[in-house]
Amino acid sequence: AQSVTQPDIHITVSEGASLELRCNYSYGATPYLFWYVQSPGQGLQLLLKYFSGDTLVQGIKGFEAEFKRSQSSFNLRKPSVHWSDAAEYFCAVATTSGTYKYIFGTGTRLKVLA
Amino acid sequence: EAGVTQFPSHSVIEKGQTVTLRCDPISGHDNLYWYRRVMGKEIKFLLHFVKESKQDESGMPNNRFLAERTGGTYSTLKVQPAELEDSGVYFCASSQMYDEQFFGPGTRLTVL
Repeated sequence: AQSVTQPDIHITVSEGASLELRCNYSYGATPYLFWYVQSPGQGLQLLLKYFSGDTLVQGIKGFEAEFKRSQSSFNLRKPSVHWSDAAEYFCAVATTSGTYKYIFGTGTRLKVLA
Repeated sequence: EAGVTQFPSHSVIEKGQTVTLRCDPISGHDNLYWYRRVMGKEIKFLLHFVKESKQDESGMPNNRFLAERTGGTYSTLKVQPAELEDSGVYFCASSQMYDEQFFGPGTRLTVL
């Protein structure tokens, strides 16, 4: 079955520290992968996406993610976290057979210490 | 360009009552999706419209949920009668075909 796993429900980092949020997926075909962020009171905002090509993807707000097919992973990274990055982060895979729709992970809530 | 809007932002109703959620997609987006997040769980797909036609409603929990999309523009999701387990955040998203989906801020539904 298709699924997305985000093993970390909560992560706390200090401002200025590096960040890595983990995402593993299970999908038979070539996946379309996404990272979204939700700040309080806001909708989900796209950080970056991977469809094909270069496996290291750059996104907005200084985020990047690396697609590793052998590990079925699409981890999100940022070299230096800012207090404004505190939010909830969602990894998703889009199904391309049948209905084009998202399967989400459970989300990782990021807390940033000043 | 206006984003996806949803109304209301919050709704508190009692078990057995009816609630209607509205979504206005980005203009020109033929694809409209509804998703739901129950507390502590992942965001789950409910259904997909292409213009005014339902393409996939496999995620709808039961027949107490009815979605419509009038003239291929805005969409409504009605829950009648509401049950306690319907509480959660309902997200609407719209997109061009096979591309990123743009999400609204969600409607938080609480059923007491």
